[in-house]
Amino acid sequence: QVQLVQSGAEVKKPGASVKVSCKTSGYSFTGYSMQWVRQAPGQRLEWMGWINGGNGNTKYSQKFQGRVTITRDTSASTAYMELTSLRSEDTAVYYCAYYGSGSYSWAYWGQGTLVTVSS
Amino acid sequence: QAVVTQEPSLTVSPGGTVTLTCGSSAGAVTSGHYPYWFQQKPGQAPRPLIYDTTYKHSWTPARFSGSLLGGKAALTLSGAQPEDEADYYCLLSYVGSRPWVFGGGTKVTVL
Repeated sequence: QVQLVQSGAEVKKPGASVKVSCKTSGYSFTGYSMQWVRQAPGQRLEWMGWINGGNGNTKYSQKFQGRVTITRDTSASTAYMELTSLRSEDTAVYYCAYYGSGSYSWAYWGQGTLVTVSS
Repeated sequence: QAVVTQEPSLTVSPGGTVTLTCGSSAGAVTSGHYPYWFQQKPGQAPRPLIYDTTYKHSWTPARFSGSLLGGKAALTLSGAQPEDEADYYCLLSYVGSRPWVFGGGTKVTVL
């Protein structure tokens, strides 16, 4: 079955960067895309961007453009989300979500990674 | 950029029926927005319930159904159970620089 396992919680200082990984199994990584979403405490889910697992093409939310980079390592079936110039407002749980077609779209999610930004 | 709106909170009696809606500031929600619905309980990742307006995942209980209603996407819960108490988020697809937009979520209380 499809599984997405994310890296562990991180504590970062303002201005630093964080890189969250999402290791996948149970499907053809290159055949589908990966979405990244975050949720600040008590807030709504927020779409950050996505990457095509096959060709590596990416698209980012304008809100994060210039600060977020999503990459993948096909040999490791792993996607990565790096966010730079962290500020306290970036404190949130970050999720990866598998995106395919039809019933596979947004069907499987990682467990989430808490990123805390604090001085 | 569009803003997606949901009722902040709704209460339903056990066994009762409640309908959650999902509207768009950009106009009527249509099947072209491929509306999705997710359930989220505290400390858990969102769990997909509905995709492409009306389709259920294999794990979606039969008491949940999706539709379009008065220019909005809708999620109806018929025969509410205590375990349905959760936050529910809709997600819409748009063309442009922000192709995916989540609603603000609806907190459903079964009481």
